[in-house]
Amino acid sequence: SQQGEEDPQALSIQEGENATMNCSYKTSINNLQWYRQNSGRGLVHLILIRSNEREKHSGRLRVTLDTSKKSSSLLITASRAADTASYFCATDALTGGFKTIFGAGTRLFVKA
Amino acid sequence: GAGVSQTPSNKVTEKGKYVELRCDPISGHTALYWYRQSLGQGPEFLIYFQGTGAADDSGLPNDRFFAVRPEGSVSTLKIQRTERGDSAVYLCASSLIGGKGSYNEQFFGPGTRLTVL
Repeated sequence: SQQGEEDPQALSIQEGENATMNCSYKTSINNLQWYRQNSGRGLVHLILIRSNEREKHSGRLRVTLDTSKKSSSLLITASRAADTASYFCATDALTGGFKTIFGAGTRLFVKA
Repeated sequence: GAGVSQTPSNKVTEKGKYVELRCDPISGHTALYWYRQSLGQGPEFLIYFQGTGAADDSGLPNDRFFAVRPEGSVSTLKIQRTERGDSAVYLCASSLIGGKGSYNEQFFGPGTRLTVL
């Protein structure tokens, strides 16, 4: 079963607006990553945040991590139509195997 | 090649048949992962290889699924006696170093869309 859960499941915004997606997970983690997927194929890595980090930036992306609440958020600022995609969080558990667990994703639609 | 490649890109088979899906990871990447993804869902972990060995196969749904990586590079996912419920996109990913304490991103291939009729 999936460990991560994203919300919202779907998000529709206008170009130029900010998009915020949230992710919750269940067990202690080593790191958390965000991926983007276009057209149901081929995920692209966006950003990785370690369990001892609280915030990380990369271009228009800002990721936060709250390990006490077992949650993370991804903020995309000044969104563009090209940001339209599905976004997934993925976690590597601290113990118990080597699996990477993905959530069900947030489908973002940016209207031009 | 520059990225992870997977072949075939699409595979249509009949219920009960055997299929093999191939993954060519990025050269030099020791870690390799297989996932499957159903429509509207996130990737579901199947198996993780560190080098030639399967370090975690806990995601394989049953004994009809098997994967190998004999030389620590190319991997093949094998599905016996396919069922309609096996229909999904099968994704492969590789990373430079895997395992606990590593912070390497995974590079994904484009996937193989398997359809079992």
